[in-house]
Amino acid sequence: QKEVEQDPGPLSVPEGAIVSLNCTYSNSAFQYFMWYRQYSRKGPELLMYTYSSGNKEDGRFTAQVDKSSKYISLFIRDSQPSDSATYLCAMSAVAGGTSYGKLTFGQGTILTVHP
Amino acid sequence: DTEVTQTPKHLVMGMTNKKSLKCEQHMGHRAMYWYKQKAKKPPELMFVYSYEKLSINESVPSRFSPECPNSSLLNLHLHALQPEDSALYLCASSQEGTGISYNSPLHFGNGTRLTVT
Repeated sequence: QKEVEQDPGPLSVPEGAIVSLNCTYSNSAFQYFMWYRQYSRKGPELLMYTYSSGNKEDGRFTAQVDKSSKYISLFIRDSQPSDSATYLCAMSAVAGGTSYGKLTFGQGTILTVHP
Repeated sequence: DTEVTQTPKHLVMGMTNKKSLKCEQHMGHRAMYWYKQKAKKPPELMFVYSYEKLSINESVPSRFSPECPNSSLLNLHLHALQPEDSALYLCASSQEGTGISYNSPLHFGNGTRLTVT
């Protein structure tokens, strides 16, 4: 079993839809949770970054973390064709010691928003 | 545009060549990373530099040799690579030298797409 599970999709939605992307994880030491967006032939771009449980909103994006269920989500409201990309969840245990903030990624979800 | 700059964007090299990848950041970040990403896979950690010292080597073959000349620069020297080493090589940085923390997420460059022939 992988430490982080993410449905690879692909996910196809019409423009304007609400998109829900999810990851589950097994390592209870994870404290930092990130969502990255990666366009084809580009590096991952940091979208959202949360610490521990709770919600965080930034424009059309909302990140949720439920540590009790070991479940994180990214919601995209009013999705646009420019949101078409691969979305990667990533997690890290507490910094320091031997971990040095190593990131563990999900497999990535391919999202297509069609006009 | 990303604040982590990688050069070159593309590189084709033969198995007997020696080449280097370069990464630069001017955000004052104290930890820098090399990741490797194969097609349709997530990035895999190769090396971590903390305060310009190598702190993590994820059992990477010696044909990959990292170097951190100063706090803004990170190089990856390549020698005698194999075709299966063809991939997107990503550099990343984070503010704190101890890695990721509350104010210190990981920021990636756009990578160097390497093809080994």
